[in-house]
Amino acid sequence: EVQLVESGGGLVQPGGSLRLSCAASGFTVSSNYMSWVRQAPGKGLEWVSVIYSGGSTYYADSVKGRFTISRDNSKNTLYLQMNSLRAEDTAVYYCARDVPGPEDYWGQGTLVTVSS
Amino acid sequence: QSVLTQPPSASGTPGQRVTISCSGSSSNIGSNYVYWYQQLPGTAPKLLIYRNNQRPSGVPDRFSGSKSGTSASLAISGLRSEDEADYYCAAWDDSLSGRVVFGGGTKLTVL
Repeated sequence: EVQLVESGGGLVQPGGSLRLSCAASGFTVSSNYMSWVRQAPGKGLEWVSVIYSGGSTYYADSVKGRFTISRDNSKNTLYLQMNSLRAEDTAVYYCARDVPGPEDYWGQGTLVTVSS
Repeated sequence: QSVLTQPPSASGTPGQRVTISCSGSSSNIGSNYVYWYQQLPGTAPKLLIYRNNQRPSGVPDRFSGSKSGTSASLAISGLRSEDEADYYCAAWDDSLSGRVVFGGGTKLTVL
C-alpha cells in the first residue's frame, strides 16, 4: 500500500528555515516524480516543486531560490528545505507522488506557520 | 492569481447536473492533459478525472470531464449532498518548464 507521511511543519519566524520530510512506503521515491503542493488557509492549491526520477528539479517562481527539494533514496524520503520564510509561505504542505497523473497519491499534509 | 481560471462557486440541487469550467492557454490546457481533483474539508485532494476524461477506478460515472481547445469542463450529474466540496483543475504548462498549474478552485454547494 502506498503511503506518504509528512512531518517537520510548525511555527517559524519570518526569515527562518524549516525542513519538511515525507516518508514514503509501498513504492520507491526515486522511481517516480515527487512533488510538494501547498494550500494557504482558505485558499486554493499551489504547486511548489517537483523532483523527477532522473533528478531534475523545478520550482514555482514564488519559492525559487529559497526552497530546495531533494530525496534520500536510502531512506525513501522526500524533503523540502525552506529558507528565508515569509508570512505568505504559511500553508499546509502536501507531499505527492505523480501529481498530476493517472494514479497519484497525496500525504495528509503538514502545517507551516510563518509568524512572529 | 491562478494560471488556470475557474469560477469561484457553483451550486445545484440534488439530482441536477452541474458543470465547472477551467480556462487556460495554449501552453497548458491547449497542449497537455487536464486533471480534476475533489477536496473535502480538511482532507487531501482526490483525483477525479485524469487525461481530460478518464475516471480512476472507484470514481462514480456521475463525474465526467471534457476538453476543447484551451478550456476544460467537469460535469457532475445526479448531484448528491456528498458532492459538496472544492474542485480544482490542473495541467502541466509547457511555458514553465516542468511545472504544474492549478486552477483557483470552485466551491460546489448542494442546495
